[in-house]
Amino acid sequence: QVQLQESGPGLVKPSQTLSLTCTVSGGSISSGGYYWSWIRQHPGKGLEWIGYIYYSGSTYYNPSLKSRVTISVDTSKNQFSLKLSSVTAADTAVYYCAREEAYCGGDCYNAFDIWGQGTMVTVSS
Amino acid sequence: EIVMTQSPATLSVSPGERATLSCRASQSVSSNLAWYQQKPGQAPRLLIYGASTRATGIPARFSGSGSGTEFTLTISSLQSEDFAVYYCQQYNNWTFGQGTKVEIK
Repeated sequence: QVQLQESGPGLVKPSQTLSLTCTVSGGSISSGGYYWSWIRQHPGKGLEWIGYIYYSGSTYYNPSLKSRVTISVDTSKNQFSLKLSSVTAADTAVYYCAREEAYCGGDCYNAFDIWGQGTMVTVSS
Repeated sequence: EIVMTQSPATLSVSPGERATLSCRASQSVSSNLAWYQQKPGQAPRLLIYGASTRATGIPARFSGSGSGTEFTLTISSLQSEDFAVYYCQQYNNWTFGQGTKVEIK
């Protein structure tokens, strides 16, 4: 079955760029029909959606983070990536990648059906 | 931005009892609502989508209801593995509620 795995540095210095990659196994990003998202969770807090990318490269970002976020896809490696610039301590969080599926039967309802295990990123000097 | 508000923040329930969790949207989201379960150190798991449809492999004791701005997740008879944090999420702009922790009474 499809699995997602996040990778990247666990420690990033303030003002630098956080970079994470999500590797998809057991299925192809290029098959279409899914949106590939990044979601984060601050320590002890709730979930915050960061943005998504479609295999074609089209993206949509959370307006509150839009100015600092870039999500890209590499279909040849079956990966998608997150870059978050100008980080501060407020960006310290567990970062998840997730697949969003559309369940359609008349109407369509989307939900995050597969998640990576998450990776903790700490912003500190 | 649509704000999702969950209540209560913490729910203390005995095993075998019924748990009822609420989620309210600041404006109508139709039935574009999902519920997730998260255990400590784990990623969230999808329970319900479309407000009332169980995801694959989710036990029948989990049920969702509601539309518009008011939604409910019901766990009919709590099992030990159900003690966790539950989040609602609306699809219109992907915001999550702040979570309800279901703890053992």
